[in-house]
Amino acid sequence: EIVLTQSPTTMAASPGEKVTLTCRASSSVSYMHWYQQRSGTSPKLWIYETSKLASGVPNRFSGSGSGTSYSLTINSMETEDAATYYCQQGSSYPPTFGAGTKLELK
Amino acid sequence: EVQLVESGGGLVQPGRSLKLSCAASGFTFSNYYMAWVRQAPKKGLEWVATISTSGSRTYYPDSVKGRFTISRDNAKSSLYLQMNSLKSEDTATYYCARRVGNGFPFDYWGQGVMVTVSS
Repeated sequence: EIVLTQSPTTMAASPGEKVTLTCRASSSVSYMHWYQQRSGTSPKLWIYETSKLASGVPNRFSGSGSGTSYSLTINSMETEDAATYYCQQGSSYPPTFGAGTKLELK
Repeated sequence: EVQLVESGGGLVQPGRSLKLSCAASGFTFSNYYMAWVRQAPKKGLEWVATISTSGSRTYYPDSVKGRFTISRDNAKSSLYLQMNSLKSEDTATYYCARRVGNGFPFDYWGQGVMVTVSS
């Protein structure tokens, strides 16, 4: 099983600040996906195939990476971006998720 | 508009069974692999099961293999999860999700249904 380790576990960012979340895989994966989950709601696909933005996702978000190291970047933090972000790989069974990064507004 | 609506959750005693349903609409259900993903209270996401388009192939993690069965009825655009021999650690919100494309992300999720296993 591929273990995904996300860092940091929790962080706070001010409006306008650049934010980078990381996800490291225990073995190489072909793609990484990211989900946003706001409190009390279902997860939403946010970035897929490492760098593609899901429908409706603002272009201040971007994704990058390869092999075992991936990241999600927010160019300029906005209030609505406060949420928990999970990375996920489906290249190798079983599909696995990271433990999540909780992003708070400072 | 793609919609996934789960039902069938509730409070159940350890060792008992429960069956979840997911009604899909807004897309051609039979063209997609489908999955269940769960989230224990205040915890992260855990994949529970996946089923192929025809239902002929199913996949489970070791944590539920032999206890849970995923199935589908393409004529009814419905997905199911039969859960037997439930344990307290199965307590979670269960989400129905559609699986797609390269690297198999889950592009649509239902609102979730809560399952509580307790005596």
